[in-house]
Amino acid sequence: QQQVKQSPQSLIVQKGGISIINCAYENTAFDYFPWYQQFPGKGPALLIAIRPDVSEKKEGRFTISFNKSAKQFSLHIMDSQPGDSATYFCAASMNSGYSTLTFGKGTMLLVSP
Amino acid sequence: SQTIHQWPATLVQPVGSPLSLECTVEGTSNPNLYWYRQAAGRGLQLLFYSVGIGQISSEVPQNLSASRPQDRQFILSSKKLLLSDSGFYLCAWSTPGGSYGYTFGSGTRLTVV
Repeated sequence: QQQVKQSPQSLIVQKGGISIINCAYENTAFDYFPWYQQFPGKGPALLIAIRPDVSEKKEGRFTISFNKSAKQFSLHIMDSQPGDSATYFCAASMNSGYSTLTFGKGTMLLVSP
Repeated sequence: SQTIHQWPATLVQPVGSPLSLECTVEGTSNPNLYWYRQAAGRGLQLLFYSVGIGQISSEVPQNLSASRPQDRQFILSSKKLLLSDSGFYLCAWSTPGGSYGYTFGSGTRLTVV
């Protein structure tokens, strides 16, 4: 019930296209859903996050869509660029002092020029 | 502003040798601290987390241990390294009282030979 399932494992998108990464969760107590971006040899960095009181959050070319009833959320990268090539992790956590982030297994995105 | 320091960046150690990786956070008090391992450049495995000095929770029983001797210092150790301990080790912190918004360090690439 603590798992966050992420798909696809890898994704190749042409420059200018839309990249879509999906995540699903089981624990309805989760109330914070961040996405992290990791470049090779670097630590993951927070990209964008959403709480379940909204269905969508947009920051520049990055959008999170959240479907509370389906217990799913997704990351959309519009106008994908080669510089977006990285590994993306979704995650979820509960509002608890002892709660830790549960991460998906990651998606390797390659944006071809 | 808050910063997280992790060192060394790379480390090559022989099997059976000890290990000590250090992580320090600046610009905040009483942070939650985390150690993650990332194998094969993919998934993030939570190893240890701490909500205060001397308080360590272990997620995965293994050849490693963690300590928090000071409020903003987190140390990952091993008495005798195994080949399977090779990987990318990441330290992270979050605000006290919650797991929202992890900030990761730059990581240590450990190769056990």
